[in-house]
Amino acid sequence: QKEVEQNSGPLSVPEGAIASLNCTYSDRGSQSFFWYRQYSGKSPELIMSIYSNGDKEDGRFTAQLNKASQYVSLLIRDSQPSDSATYLCAVINGGSARQLTFGSGTQLTVLP
Amino acid sequence: EAGVAQSPRYKIIEKRQSVAFWCNPISGHATLYWYQQILGQGPKLLIQFQNNGVVDDSQLPKDRFSAERLKGVDSTLKIQPAKLEDSAVYLCASSLVAWNNEQFFGPGTRLTVL
Repeated sequence: QKEVEQNSGPLSVPEGAIASLNCTYSDRGSQSFFWYRQYSGKSPELIMSIYSNGDKEDGRFTAQLNKASQYVSLLIRDSQPSDSATYLCAVINGGSARQLTFGSGTQLTVLP
Repeated sequence: EAGVAQSPRYKIIEKRQSVAFWCNPISGHATLYWYQQILGQGPKLLIQFQNNGVVDDSQLPKDRFSAERLKGVDSTLKIQPAKLEDSAVYLCASSLVAWNNEQFFGPGTRLTVL
């Protein structure tokens, strides 16, 4: 069983629309949650971190966390072609291991 | 502020050969990580250092992989001997202190094993 699950996509949205990316995790003791953006051939770049239930907004990005449902999401408002990338959800597991575990990523394409 | 540096950027070797990768973390970052990212997958942690000590190497294939971080700054990751399935991008990341801190990635080394 995968510890962090994401829809692999591809997800296509028109320019200016809201892109919604979802992630579920299996370790109920997880405390820290991150979204990374990875352009093709590049390394992951941290775009959002969230540690408590609710919403966290940063510019056009909003991260949402629901620990009861073990669910994390990322909303991108006013999507731009430059947002086209793979988005990786990452979770720090609870317990002594405390590894940062990544999902396999969702490929997003914003169509001009 | 300079980012995480890695070299080489690309490496092509034949199976059973050895290879080494180098990483220089962001200045002042005590924690350094090596990840393996196979095409189409998310990065997988291989080893974590806190200063020059190993914190977690549970997913490092120790029969062929080794890593060190002398003096608590630069780090090297070695594969000896390489297998075809080692073809991947090897990413180095660093964070200021520990796991809850945000991790910043270097550009990676793309390894192809023929």
